[in-house]
Amino acid sequence: QSALTQPRSVSGSPGQSVTISCTGTSSDVGGYNSVSWYQQHPGKAPKLMIYDVTKRPSGVPDRFSGSKSGNTASLTISGLQAEDEADYYCCSYAGSYLVVFGGGTKLTVL
Amino acid sequence: QVQLVESGGGVVQPGRSLRLSCAASGFSFSNYGMHWVRQAPGKGLEWVAVVSYDGSNKYYADSVKGRFTISRDNSKNTVYLQMNSLRVEDTAVYYCAKYSVGWYLDYWGQGTLVTVSS
Repeated sequence: QSALTQPRSVSGSPGQSVTISCTGTSSDVGGYNSVSWYQQHPGKAPKLMIYDVTKRPSGVPDRFSGSKSGNTASLTISGLQAEDEADYYCCSYAGSYLVVFGGGTKLTVL
Repeated sequence: QVQLVESGGGVVQPGRSLRLSCAASGFSFSNYGMHWVRQAPGKGLEWVAVVSYDGSNKYYADSVKGRFTISRDNSKNTVYLQMNSLRVEDTAVYYCAKYSVGWYLDYWGQGTLVTVSS
């Protein structure tokens, strides 16, 4: 049950794009197309932004996109906006009902 | 609309017990697995436990195995987390979350704070 690896922080200017990586193993990220991403603003509950690697729930802007290659998944946010500043967590299914989270990435909009 | 409301948090001494509850509404509760996820102050999300839709399967993080018990009452649309032998490092906001059909957590409660301190 080792946590997935994410960069501690990323930053970008309004209008730019940023990508957050999430590295696991063949037992989680690489083994299933079940990576999800969550946005968390300070003092708030996490919010689902991406599921099944690339899918967006209703209401999530299409500026948010996901991808996966091997044991690494990525979240890309294009056209950065001030309200995107938050913590982002990846999560992967790991078999037998289990999930594992990444350590989280703080996104700063400069 | 889906609602998850946690309760039962508070301040407790090390070694004592606490039971958290999560009342669900707005969906067919008995059809979905449910998770508990926690977040220590200033730290990231840590998965704690999951229970299957019918309560027959339960899994735990190594950090709580043998001390915490997840359960559910489908007649009350409620999932529980019984926490025994609490440690200072269990201090966190505890969230319940609904498992989707596709192995992701699609709805989260607002969280309840558990503080373990002497």
